[in-house]
Amino acid sequence: AQSVSQHNHHVILSEAASLELGCNYSYGGTVNLFWYVQYPGQHLQLLLKYFSGDPLVKGIKGFEAEFIKSKFSFNLRKPSVQWSDTAEYFCAVNAMNTGFQKLVFGTGTRLLVSP
Amino acid sequence: DVKVTQSSRYLVKRTGEKVFLECVQDMDHENMFWYRQDPGLGLRLIYFSYDVKMKEKGDIPEGYSVSREKKERFSLILESASTNQTSMYLCASTTQPGGGTDTQYFGPGTRLTVL
Repeated sequence: AQSVSQHNHHVILSEAASLELGCNYSYGGTVNLFWYVQYPGQHLQLLLKYFSGDPLVKGIKGFEAEFIKSKFSFNLRKPSVQWSDTAEYFCAVNAMNTGFQKLVFGTGTRLLVSP
Repeated sequence: DVKVTQSSRYLVKRTGEKVFLECVQDMDHENMFWYRQDPGLGLRLIYFSYDVKMKEKGDIPEGYSVSREKKERFSLILESASTNQTSMYLCASTTQPGGGTDTQYFGPGTRLTVL
């Protein structure tokens, strides 16, 4: 069965620091990859996604992620975080199997950015 | 904008009660999902539906059932609520089966407490 690992459960950064959140998945075939974000009190929403092409994907609010197939990874990055980036971040994988394709989510990383 | 609404933001029920959680989407999406979100466990899929009156078990269906009588509405039913079903419940919808490359749109969540 597919699984998604987010090794950092809690991350605390100061404003302007650089961010990298790790995501690894366990599936050897073709995958679609997503990062979702949940700001305090808000809906879970899409940050960015990768399904083909350039492995460096840019999303909203200055976030980007790089798909490295050989490492089964899809790490999220931002060069300079802001207080408003405080949120919980979820990596998700959709394996391109036959039949109905489900999203499998990681356990999430809570990011706290101090002003 | 896609809108996914859930009938209650907060719900408190007693052990053994039958509980109904309602979800409505306004974008004519084919597929709807129910997840539960627990700290340290991320999002886990309970049930999904790819068409009216069609349903499939997700990863943790035990103790739950669902109903989809109309395309826009997907209900989650706890036949006899138990304390281990205290959780945040999230509904989502999308056009493509399982998401594929498509974005899942989430509702605001229902925080259920079972006493």
